[in-house]
Amino acid sequence: AQSVSQHNHHVILSEAASLELGCNYSYGGTVNLFWYVQYPGQHLQLLLKYFSGDPLVKGIKGFEAEFIKSKFSFNLRKPSVQWSDTAEYFCAVNATTNKLIFGTGTLLAVQP
Amino acid sequence: ETGVTQSPTHLIKTRGQQVTLRCSSQSGHNTVSWYQQALGQGPQFIFQYYREEENGRGNFPPRFSGLQFPNYSSELNVNALELDDSALYLCASSSPGQGAFFGQGTRLTVV
Repeated sequence: AQSVSQHNHHVILSEAASLELGCNYSYGGTVNLFWYVQYPGQHLQLLLKYFSGDPLVKGIKGFEAEFIKSKFSFNLRKPSVQWSDTAEYFCAVNATTNKLIFGTGTLLAVQP
Repeated sequence: ETGVTQSPTHLIKTRGQQVTLRCSSQSGHNTVSWYQQALGQGPQFIFQYYREEENGRGNFPPRFSGLQFPNYSSELNVNALELDDSALYLCASSSPGQGAFFGQGTRLTVV
């Protein structure tokens, strides 16, 4: 069965620190990969997506993610976080069907 | 704003009752999916509708059912509510190559 693992459940950073959130998936075939963000009190928003092509994907608000097929990973990065990046981040994958399989999420708290 | 709207935003129901949740999809999207998000977890896929037909289903019992209408809006119906059905229910609309866009969700509490 397909699954998504997010290694960090809670991350606390100071402003201007660099961020990397881990995401691994289990599926041997072609996948589409996503990162979603949920700010407090708001709906899930698409940060970035990978379907094919350049494995380094740039999204909104300075976020990027790198697809490493050999490691089944799609880690999210941002060089310098801001207080406004405080949110919950979800990695998701879809493969043979159109359903999205989500990880359990990572709560990021950025301290001013 | 994603253009996906859900109603109601909050709902309290008694165990054993039935509930209907509604979703209007983003303009131009003909695919609607429903997800259940329990506290502290990621969203879990319930089912998907494409052009008014069910197009995939997750590991949810038959008392979870749905509809999609010609204007691509959708309903999620849950019969015989159980306490464990308390969760945030999310609707997402999508079109090929675009990813899914989520509504704000309906917070269902079963007492």
